[in-house]
Amino acid sequence: EPEVTQTPSHQVTQMGQEVILRCVPISNHLYFYWYRQILGQKVEFLVSFYNNEISEKSEIFDDQFSVERPDGSNFTLKIRSTKLEDSAMYFCASSEALRLLINEQFFGPGTRLTVL
Amino acid sequence: AQSVTQLDSHVSVSEGTPVLLRCNYSSSYSPSLFWYVQHPNKGLQLLLKYTSAATLVKGINGFEAEFKKSETSFHLTKPSAHMSDAAEYFCVVRGSGTYKYIFGTGTRLKVLA
Repeated sequence: EPEVTQTPSHQVTQMGQEVILRCVPISNHLYFYWYRQILGQKVEFLVSFYNNEISEKSEIFDDQFSVERPDGSNFTLKIRSTKLEDSAMYFCASSEALRLLINEQFFGPGTRLTVL
Repeated sequence: AQSVTQLDSHVSVSEGTPVLLRCNYSSSYSPSLFWYVQHPNKGLQLLLKYTSAATLVKGINGFEAEFKKSETSFHLTKPSAHMSDAAEYFCVVRGSGTYKYIFGTGTRLKVLA
C-alpha cells in the first residue's frame, strides 16, 4: 500500500541552525501539507502546496519557514534559523487532486525536531 | 470558524468492552469530519470519514462514528476493545473553503487486559 515517508525520523539541531525536513508524498498525489505538533499540544496546520506554489499557510508559517518540491518526488520544509519553540513533531501529508467532496489526507510518520 | 473538541484526554477500557471516544464540532456549514489514529512511532492513519452520504459511518478495525447534527457530535465507537486499539485518536474537521485540517487535542485510549 502506498504511503507517505519522512526523513529523518529524529533531528537534533542547535538554535539558529537551518534544518530541512524531507517528505516523499504518495506518487499520484498533487496536494501536499505540513503540520506540526508541539509536545502536549494540538496538531496544527502549517502550509498547503499545490502546483508548485503555496495555496494556504497559517500564521505560524512565517518568513523562517519555506517549502519546496525540488524534484518530482520530494517535498521539503526548511526552517532557516531554528528557535527553541520550533521543537515539535512535524507531519507531512498528501492528497489526490480534488475529485470528490472529501479530500482525504495521508500522513507520514513524522519527524521529531529537537532544538537545543 | 470550524473547531473540534475532544471531551476526554484519556480513556481506559477493559479488553472486550465497548469504546466511546467523544468529539463535538463547531461549524457554520455541513462539515467534513474525520477520525485518525496514531500508534506509537507511527503516522496518522485514517479510521473513517463523514461524507454527508450517511450519518453512521463505518471505518476500519471495527470502528464506527455517528454524525448527529442536532448534537453537533461525531463520537467514535467500537463494540469490543482489543489490546491493539491502544493509541491516540484525533477528531478532525476540514476547514471551510480550504483543504487544511483542524485537529482536536486527541484522546489517548488505554486498553486493560
